[in-house]
Amino acid sequence: EIVLTQSPGTLSLSPGERATLSCRASQSVTKDFLVWYQQKPGQAPRLLIYGASSRAAGIPDRFSGSGSGTDFTLTISRLEPEDFAVYYCQQSGTLALTFGGGTKVEMK
Amino acid sequence: QVQLQESGPGLVKPSETLSLTCTVSIGSISNYYWSWIRQPPGKGLEWIGYIFRTGSTNYNPSLKGRVSISLDTSKTQFSLKLNSVIAADTAIYYCARYVGGGWNYFDHWGQGTLVTVSS
Repeated sequence: EIVLTQSPGTLSLSPGERATLSCRASQSVTKDFLVWYQQKPGQAPRLLIYGASSRAAGIPDRFSGSGSGTDFTLTISRLEPEDFAVYYCQQSGTLALTFGGGTKVEMK
Repeated sequence: QVQLQESGPGLVKPSETLSLTCTVSIGSISNYYWSWIRQPPGKGLEWIGYIFRTGSTNYNPSLKGRVSISLDTSKTQFSLKLNSVIAADTAIYYCARYVGGGWNYFDHWGQGTLVTVSS
């Protein structure tokens, strides 16, 4: 199974700042089947990015994804108050789907 | 807009079977994979498995042998059974639609239901 390691565990930033979240895979993710989700307290995860860099419908363009192979990044260009949440990466390049442990973006 | 809703007991005794149902609010379950994902309180997400409209399934290897997912297309429902539960199976259980055949992602989720394993 592919293990996804997200870093940092927690990111403390202020509104307006740039957030850079990392997701590293234990082996190459086939066809960049790497997905990012946002989860707020008490809510289900919400799809943000698929195919490593394609924004899902309705997702603001301040969210962007990049990377390939084993190293992927989610960038939030300017944090809005509603962006403070936990972010998970997930790979679907193998039959055994796996999620990363999450990065919490908290308000400084 | 696709909506999913989980239902089932919130408390299950150790060694018994956890059973949940997800009702999908669209006309038919077709061309998608229907999945279960869980999240222990305060922890991360774990994929449990999915089923396609043909009945083909794929399960998390760590749960294989204990888990089964079934589909009732006439009722647009799919179900989860997890056998021989232990305290570590306590989690919020989400049902979700998985878009495969290309991009592969979960695009619609239920609100989740907390299942506690305790005597």
